[in-house]
Amino acid sequence: QKEVEQNSGPLSVPEGAIASLNCTYSDRGSQSFFWYRQYSGKSPELIMFIYSNGDKEDGRFTAQLNKASQYVSLLIRDSQPSDSATYLCAVKLNTGFQKLVFGTGTRLLVSP
Amino acid sequence: EPEVTQTPSHQVTQMGQEVILRCVPISNHLYFYWYRQILGQKVEFLVSFYNNEISEKSEIFDDQFSVERPDGSNFTLKIRSTKLEDSAMYFCASSQRSSGGHLSSDTQYFGPGTRLTVL
Repeated sequence: QKEVEQNSGPLSVPEGAIASLNCTYSDRGSQSFFWYRQYSGKSPELIMFIYSNGDKEDGRFTAQLNKASQYVSLLIRDSQPSDSATYLCAVKLNTGFQKLVFGTGTRLLVSP
Repeated sequence: EPEVTQTPSHQVTQMGQEVILRCVPISNHLYFYWYRQILGQKVEFLVSFYNNEISEKSEIFDDQFSVERPDGSNFTLKIRSTKLEDSAMYFCASSQRSSGGHLSSDTQYFGPGTRLTVL
């Protein structure tokens, strides 16, 4: 059973558009949700974290969490070619577990 | 801005040899982690470490693996007898806490990684 699922993509959007990245998770007791960006050959770089249902905005990024649907998403407004990367959804399970469980990532391509 | 550092950036070794990967976590962080990513695959948790002992480990982290905090700054991952399938990027991460308290403090920050190639 896959614990964190993402569409592998690639998701192609034109520069200036909104990119919408989605993630579902299987453990209903999951507490914390993270979005990381990973450029090819590089390490995961934190973009945002979200813990509560609803939206959380940070600059061009908005994370959305719906615990009832076990769904978390990341919106990138005004997408730039430099946003082209793989976006990793990571979930921290119930309190007491420390590991992050990662999805396979969604590759985003922003064309100029 | 404080960051996690890792050395070496690339390690090439022969199958059966021992390797030690090194990490310097962010200085006020208390929890340390190792993850690996085989080329083209997802990031996988190996082990977490707190208060000088392993607090959680995955099925991947078998007897061939060990971790240590030999001094106040370094955190190491040792692979005793490397196999071809150990070839991967190994990422060290750290966080202020594991859970509870101010929620943002359980955010894990990753180092740049060590690319391990086993021949």
